[in-house]
Amino acid sequence: DAGVIQSPRHEVTEMGQEVTLRCKPISGHDYLFWYRQTMMRGLELLIYFNNNVPIDDSGMPEDRFSAKMPNASFSTLKIQPSEPRDSAVYFCASSPGTGGPDTQYFGPGTRLTVL
Amino acid sequence: AQSVTQLGSHVSVSEGALVLLRCNYSSSVPPYLFWYVQYPNQGLQLLLKYTTGATLVKGINGFEAEFKKSETSFHLTKPSAHMSDAAEYFCAVRLKAAGNKLTFGGGTRVLVKP
Repeated sequence: DAGVIQSPRHEVTEMGQEVTLRCKPISGHDYLFWYRQTMMRGLELLIYFNNNVPIDDSGMPEDRFSAKMPNASFSTLKIQPSEPRDSAVYFCASSPGTGGPDTQYFGPGTRLTVL
Repeated sequence: AQSVTQLGSHVSVSEGALVLLRCNYSSSVPPYLFWYVQYPNQGLQLLLKYTTGATLVKGINGFEAEFKKSETSFHLTKPSAHMSDAAEYFCAVRLKAAGNKLTFGGGTRVLVKP
């Protein structure tokens, strides 16, 4: 399996622009997670989906952030408008969903820089 | 609310020396416990996890961790550090009744000196 795939790997944009991050989970996994990693705040869970349905979005910082999962093989995290404080590495992860303490498999991340 | 504390944001060890990374959690109910490793410019990778049963858990790359309920700890060890162990290590917990959410500690960056 190719693992979790994220694109782009790097994104540089200007403040106010819309940014869309993409994720393809491991085939057959029922859960998908979006995390943000910064030096100041560490690794934070933003939102997670089960069978394409958002289960917990309490970590989404504000209305500028939105996430969708239109099908089992694709998810997007959108920031509109972007701000410099959104600069971070964004990780997508997926897990099988066996009902137990599943391992989460992480993608390589997207490094976002907002100027 | 559950939280995870990793003591020491940076640890420096000599090659061949013991690696000890500390993790304590706060939860009234023993959670599931995980250690992940992050190599530079990569995503996180599972090292090991504790669910139930034997409290000493062995993982990949020679790492192991022991769950101590009385101390609410899940410290990670490796008897002999290798240069390739230089990375950042994250402890994480998941409450059994909290869905599939993981809460991560702040991470400990390990530097291995030759």
